[in-house]
This record gives sequence, C-alpha cells and structure tokens, in this order.
Amino acid sequence: NAGVTQTPKFQVLKTGQSMTLQCAQDMNHNSMYWYRQDPGMGLRLIYYSASEGTTDKGEVPNGYNVSRLNKREFSLRLESAAPSQTSVYFCASSGLAANEQYFGPGTRLTVT
Amino acid sequence: GEDVEQSLFLSVREGDSSVINCTYTDSSSTYLYWYKQEPGAGLQLLTYIFSNMDMKQDQRLTVLLNKKDKHLSLRIADTQTGDSAIYFCAESMFSGYSTLTFGKGTMLLVSP
Repeated sequence: NAGVTQTPKFQVLKTGQSMTLQCAQDMNHNSMYWYRQDPGMGLRLIYYSASEGTTDKGEVPNGYNVSRLNKREFSLRLESAAPSQTSVYFCASSGLAANEQYFGPGTRLTVT
Repeated sequence: GEDVEQSLFLSVREGDSSVINCTYTDSSSTYLYWYKQEPGAGLQLLTYIFSNMDMKQDQRLTVLLNKKDKHLSLRIADTQTGDSAIYFCAESMFSGYSTLTFGKGTMLLVSP
C-alpha cells in the first residue's frame, strides 16, 4: 500500500500564479485533510472533507479552495498565489474509530 | 478554545530516557496522539491513547495521561540517535471523525 501520496514534491510559483496540489489515499478512508506547516506555527488545518461530497473550512482557509474528487482524492487549489502561502503542505486521511490521521510526504511550495 | 502546548526543545544522550511533555486545555478530548516528524518528511503516527486510559506502552514508548491535570507525556526508553526528530502532541474531540489540534512540536536532539 502506498498510503497517502502527494504531488508535486516541490513547486516554485510567482505571485499571482495558480496551481493545484494533488492528494490521493488508498486506505479507503472517509475523511481527508489539508494542513500547512510553517516554522514556529506547528500544523494548521486549511480545509477538510469529512466524507465524499462534503468539504469544510479549517483554521486558515483564505486563499485556498478544495475539491473532493472522489473517495480517494482531495485536491487543494491556490487561485492567485501570494508569498504568505510559502509553506509545506501536508495532506492526511483518517477513517478509523480512533481518528488516527495518516500523512503524506508533503509539498514544499515557494511563492516569489 | 482548544490549545495544545509543548516545550520546544529537548536534548538527551544516547541510551538515556527521553520524556516529552504536552498540556492541553479541552477536557472533552477523546483521543490524544503522538506523531514523529523526521527532517524533510511527513508526520508519522507513533501511538495514541484513549482518554479513559492512564498509560499505554508500546515497545520503547510509554504514554502517560493525567486527565485531571490535562497532561500527556511520551517517554522513550534507551533513546537512540535515530529518535532525533520533532515530536507533535495532538488531541481529538470525538471518535469516528474529528479534526485534530496539534501542538507546535518538541525538537528532540539525541547526542552520541
């Protein structure tokens, strides 16, 4: 099993450009999440999807949109990238009673 | 609101025990988790404890939960240089599905 996969691993954007970060899981989990990790800030939840067909805002949703394409895939879109969105982005999924979340390897995004 | 606090840094010698501490504010927390993050990698779930338990042991890892003081600790016995990483404490409000609230992480440095 691959677990949670993310593409791309690295990306450099110019201010104002758009891009979509892809995430897929093969564990048949219902719930999926997008976090960003910044130095000294820990992990902050951007958006989540409790189940296929639903999405909800987390702590820091501004400047992002998400799509739960199917049960396996959950994408994060930056419509107009800003330098403040320079970060490491992690996707996670969960589907068990203890709500353990399993993380992907991350996408390192730099916006210049 | 929910808040999870951790000390930022811990340094130990190889072979010693490490104890990483965490405090949380929400007494409704159902599950508490420990994650490990190695440089350049995603978060790896180490262990979790249900709120009605006081202790959980898993090989070199011991988790202690003091629900009265809202204090969680992770003890690593016989710490190795490969244990050097950032350790995150997290809490979850409900079973089944819930978002997690993470602490900012404790960097553990193990010297030979």
